[in-house]
Parts: sequence; structure tokens; C-alpha cells
Amino acid sequence: DIQMTQSPSSLSASVGDRVTITCRASQGINNYLAWFQQKPGKAPKSLIYAASNLQSGVPSKFSGSGSGTDFTLTISSLQPEDIATYYCQQYKTYPLTFGGGTKVEIK
Amino acid sequence: EVQLVESGGGLVQPGGSLRLSCTTSGFTFSSTWMHWVRQAPGKGLVWVSRINTDGSSTSYADSVKGRFTISRDSAENTMYLQMNSLRDEDTAVYYCVRYNSGWYWGQGTLVTVSS
Repeated sequence: DIQMTQSPSSLSASVGDRVTITCRASQGINNYLAWFQQKPGKAPKSLIYAASNLQSGVPSKFSGSGSGTDFTLTISSLQPEDIATYYCQQYKTYPLTFGGGTKVEIK
Repeated sequence: EVQLVESGGGLVQPGGSLRLSCTTSGFTFSSTWMHWVRQAPGKGLVWVSRINTDGSSTSYADSVKGRFTISRDSAENTMYLQMNSLRDEDTAVYYCVRYNSGWYWGQGTLVTVSS
């Protein structure tokens, strides 16, 4: 199975800060990488697919980059509504696998 | 608008069975692969199973293989997950998910396995 390692596992940042989350795959996955946002008690919401494509309706402050094994999700200007846990997922190979999550908080 | 609505969750004893349903609308169900993903309380996301467009090909996570069966009914635009021999560790919110230029999730249904 492909292991997905996210870092950091949690972070605290100020409103307006640029926030970057990284995700590393244990083997190459081309660009078959998605990012999700999950708020407490809610279903995950898709942000990015194919590593860098913004899902319809998602604000442009979210961006993704990377290919192969190393990927990043960036929030350009952190706002209180961005408080959530963020997950990466590879969908190149079954079983599909997720990173362990990054909990984002406001400082 | 794409809609995925899960149902069928509830409380079941260890060793019991449950069938989840995912009723869909807003897209061509018969042309889309579908997935189940689960999340145990306070834990991360775990992929469970997938089914291809006509139901002829399926795959499962090792943890549920031989106990869970995924299926679909294109006439009803509905996907199912038959869960047998349920264990405590199957307790989770189960999400119905599709991929088509992005991932789309249902709201989830809670399955609790407990005596």
C-alpha cells in the first residue's frame, strides 16, 4: 500500500498568514493527489484534485502543487473559517490511502 | 447539483449485519465509479470499497474483505454496502463518494457496533 505522510500534524497561525501543509507519498503517484477540508462534525469537502486543480466553488486562496512524491497545499491568507483538519489522499493505486491529517488552528 | 445521500446506519451488535444505501442525483450515475470511505470517531479517513460503472468490478480494503459487499442499481441511481460479521472496529461514519473532475462526498451515516 502507498503510505501518505502529512506534516505538520497540527499548526497554529495568525489570521492573514500564509499556511503550507505538505504531503509525501511512499512511492510516486504522478499527480493523483487530492486535498480535503473537514470541519468538526461535518463531511469532508474537496478542495483540490489532480494535485493542483481547484474543485468547482472552492475559493482561490487555496492552491495545490507537486508531482511524484511531494505535494503541498497552501492557504494564501488564513481566515477564521479555514479552521479545520486537512487531509491529502492518493488515488493512483488501490487501496486509496489518506494522510493522517493536519489540524489548523488560529493563534 | 450533485447529491449523495447515505442511509441505513444505526446500532448493531457484534456479529450482526447492516445494509447502507447511497441515493444519488444530479449526475449520470451509470457512468461513474463509486466509493465508500469511513471515519471512526476521532480518527482519520479510511477508504473501504469501490465499484465500477456496471458493477462488474469491485475492490475492498483488507480490513473488510470477505465481510462487506458493494453493489449498485443503476435503475435506482443507488449504491449499497452490505456489511456482515460486524466488529467493534467497524464503528464509524460511512461516506459515499464519487470522483469526476474532483471528489464529491455525501453527508455520511453513522454505524455503531456495540453490545
